[in-house]
Amino acid sequence: ETGVTQTPRHLVMGMTNKKSLKCEQHLGHNAMYWYKQSAKKPLELMFVYSLEERVENNSVPSRFSPECPNSSHLFLHLHTLQPEDSALYLCASSQDWQATETQYFGPGTRLLVL
Amino acid sequence: DQQVKQNSPSLSVQEGRISILNCDYTNSMFDYFLWYKKYPAEGPTFLISISSIKDKNEDGRFTVFLNKSAKHLSLHIVPSQPGDSAVYFCAASIVGNQFYFGTGTSLTVIP
Repeated sequence: ETGVTQTPRHLVMGMTNKKSLKCEQHLGHNAMYWYKQSAKKPLELMFVYSLEERVENNSVPSRFSPECPNSSHLFLHLHTLQPEDSALYLCASSQDWQATETQYFGPGTRLLVL
Repeated sequence: DQQVKQNSPSLSVQEGRISILNCDYTNSMFDYFLWYKKYPAEGPTFLISISSIKDKNEDGRFTVFLNKSAKHLSLHIVPSQPGDSAVYFCAASIVGNQFYFGTGTSLTVIP
C-alpha cells in the first residue's frame, strides 16, 4: 500500500467526452504530481502542485486541466482528447516540492481515447 | 530529446546471479539520481538514490554506482531473486527541479 490511490483504474472515452481522473494521498504530503507514461516513452511530468498551488506546468495542452482543492486530492479533468493522449496517467506525492524528496506513486489510470 | 536513457529494454538473469541495470544521462548538471521499481498494475516504488557527491550507495542487495565523468549510473542486484522481476526506472534531477525519467528496463529473474 503506497498511500496514494487513483480512480478509475481504467477509462475508455471518446474524443468528445469529458471525464476526470482522481488522485488521493493519505501520507500528509504537501506536493502532488501528474505524470503521463506513453508506450516506450519515459514518464513525463505534466503538473506539480505544492500546498495546493500549481508550481510547474510543462507545456501541457489545455485539454488537460488540473485541480487541487486541498493537499490530499488532485484531479485531472479531460475534455476533447485525442487518440495520442492514450497512456498511463500516474499521480504521485512527496513531502515537499524538492527534487530530493522521494515521490510515492499511485497505481495509475490506464486511459484509452477512441 | 531524452536526457536520461536506458538503452536495454529488457534483461534476463538466473536466480542467484548479479543483475546490472544501466542508465546514461546527458545533462552534466544533474546532481541527484534514483531508481524506481514497478510491478505490473502498480505504481513505481522508490528503491535507492545517490547524490553526485558520492560514487556508490548500498542498501542490502541493491547498490547504485555513479560515474560522473561518463554520465553513467548503474544498479547492481546481488543475489537476484525471482521477486526482483519488475521494470526498473532510473531518474535524474538538478536539486530543486523536476525529475527526468528513463524509459525503463524490464528485469526477469529466472528461477
